Amino acid sequence: NAGVTQTPKFQVLKTGQSMTLQCAQDMNHEYMSWYRQDPGMGLRLIHYSVGAGITDQGEVPNGYNVSRSTTEDFPLRLLSAAPSQTSVYFCASTLPGNEQFFGPGTRLTVL
Amino acid sequence: KQEVTQIPAALSVPEGENLVLNCSFTDSAIYNLQWFRQDPGKGLTSLLLIQSSQREQTSGRLNASLDKSSGRSTLYIAASQPGDSATYLCAVWGYGQNFVFGPGTRLSVLP
Repeated sequence: NAGVTQTPKFQVLKTGQSMTLQCAQDMNHEYMSWYRQDPGMGLRLIHYSVGAGITDQGEVPNGYNVSRSTTEDFPLRLLSAAPSQTSVYFCASTLPGNEQFFGPGTRLTVL
Repeated sequence: KQEVTQIPAALSVPEGENLVLNCSFTDSAIYNLQWFRQDPGKGLTSLLLIQSSQREQTSGRLNASLDKSSGRSTLYIAASQPGDSATYLCAVWGYGQNFVFGPGTRLSVLP
């Protein structure tokens, strides 16, 4: 049981490049979410999904895209990277009303 | 909109002390409250989950209480150790909302 996994662990992008952050869970959790963590700003919700085929925006969705084609996977796409997207990104999963589990994070730098 | 605050923002104590971390939330309509630990440069590790119907949860030297009516939770750490040094985050899951995180308390336990 791997829990929540994220790849890559580190990434450096140039402004304007696109990329996909991968997230997978093997706990059959319905609810998955993406957060970004910035110094002094805490954890902020980017997008979330309550099941395959269903996604919605969180607090800071601009510049990011998500899809959920399977229960296990919830990738986060950066459409055109900007320096303001330099952050640590965490993926999490849970069954609604239960304990939330986090992945190890992806540290992204946009130059 | 749910808001979560944590006091103090930082705390430094000598080894062996018992200590209390505080978490407050503005909307008492919650499903649960979860305490996490985050070590520098690492992901979030779940410590305790308290459902809205519960008053407290215990795990080893940790005890978390919940007073939903007053919008407060406390995390009690008994006989603190240098290995307890980390940032402690609380998060609430509210009705019709997603997880909302507090800013965290940075704890240093001095040998």
